[in-house]
Amino acid sequence: QLQLQESGPGLMKPSETLSLTCNVSGGSINSGRHHWGWIRQPPGKGLEWIGSIYYSGTTFYNPSLKSRVTISVDTAENQFSLKLSAVTAADMAVYYCATSIRGFTPGAGFYFDNWGQGTLVPVSS
Amino acid sequence: EIVLTQSPGTLSLSPGERATLSCRASQRVPTSYVAWYQQRPGQTPRLLIYGASSRANGIPDRFSGSGSGTDFTLSISRLEPEDFAVYYCHQYGTSAGTFGPGTKVEIK
Repeated sequence: QLQLQESGPGLMKPSETLSLTCNVSGGSINSGRHHWGWIRQPPGKGLEWIGSIYYSGTTFYNPSLKSRVTISVDTAENQFSLKLSAVTAADMAVYYCATSIRGFTPGAGFYFDNWGQGTLVPVSS
Repeated sequence: EIVLTQSPGTLSLSPGERATLSCRASQRVPTSYVAWYQQRPGQTPRLLIYGASSRANGIPDRFSGSGSGTDFTLSISRLEPEDFAVYYCHQYGTSAGTFGPGTKVEIK
């Protein structure tokens, strides 16, 4: 059974760079069966896709966050990571990692099958 | 960007009743690539439906999805106590997928 677990820094200050890691267990990140993604949810609000990555390193980003986001993969450690630069209070959210399944048609995005438990990232000065 | 609107915002029903949740897109969703997720209080979202009508692994058959174009529906045939939750629709027909604001199904 595939399991995903986020880990991160806890409290962030405005302008800092957020770094999160998702550890994958119960399967290999380079199996090629999935992409791997990040989604966030501000407290009491809805969901927002941040971006996804394939084990080869090919990345896909939400245009609204693209200028501040970097997603990378470490196949040796069976994990993938998120960096979000110049955080503000608007970036305070629960951050989830999840398996991303891409639609078959050209230009399609991803849906999310298997989710981690999520990690709350507060942003405060 | 495709904007999703979900209605109603809150649905008050009793266990055993049927729930019908609506998701309307601001433009046609390519290939009817719509998913539905359930989020119970304090829990992680769970995939219910993908491709508008395909149930995810382990999802009971009381959950069904339908629709095409701009109008999609999630139906729960007979509400169980564990079904009271928030439900999100999600379109992934475009490269930058978007989520709806959610419908809360609460106990009447």
